[in-house]
Amino acid sequence: DGGITQSPKYLFRKEGQNVTLSCEQNLNHDAMYWYRQDPGQGLRLIYYSQIVNDFQKGDIAEGYSVSREKKESFPLTVTSAQKNPTAFYLCASSRGTGVAYGYTFGSGTRLTVV
Amino acid sequence: AQSVTQLGSHVSVSEGALVLLRCNYSSSVPPYLFWYVQYPNQGLQLLLKYTSAATLVKGINGFEAEFKKSETSFHLTKPSAHMSDAAEYFCAVKNNAGNMLTFGGGTRLMVKP
Repeated sequence: DGGITQSPKYLFRKEGQNVTLSCEQNLNHDAMYWYRQDPGQGLRLIYYSQIVNDFQKGDIAEGYSVSREKKESFPLTVTSAQKNPTAFYLCASSRGTGVAYGYTFGSGTRLTVV
Repeated sequence: AQSVTQLGSHVSVSEGALVLLRCNYSSSVPPYLFWYVQYPNQGLQLLLKYTSAATLVKGINGFEAEFKKSETSFHLTKPSAHMSDAAEYFCAVKNNAGNMLTFGGGTRLMVKP
């Protein structure tokens, strides 16, 4: 079955460390997204990519970086510049960027700073 | 810019009662609207979407939503709540370019036995 795989499910980071969250999809979707979810704040867009080798900042990109070298993969790096990285991170993909297309979500990675 | 507002961060109903989760949108053009459900420590799953074909949209798990332009609303309903419906629900709107979904703050639905 096609879907989106996020790994790891739980991740612990020491202060000052960079960590990379993996997101892989086998849906042949063109567009991919990263959201951050905090309790009571809904989902906030970090970065998105509509095609390979291209990506755009979302609303809260500071302290994060991404790459899109392959259509199937869109890893997110949480850098030491992100001051409050503890959150639930969700990756999503979409067949295209038309208005009627919804998103398919992965099951998320919970990042905790220790 | 399009946006959605979900009224009520927490809603509690008894099993078998009507579920009503409220979503109002702000958009200068006909919006494309979505409802998603999230179970604990899971990703989001699409319940239904409005793409202007019909104002009453039926989704999975017995949920439906009605688009009301005059009220700028897209409320989610289910006639009879089940314990398994306990989850967080998100309303979302696509922007004009179609490349971004903007989510509301979410409503946590609790179902009492």
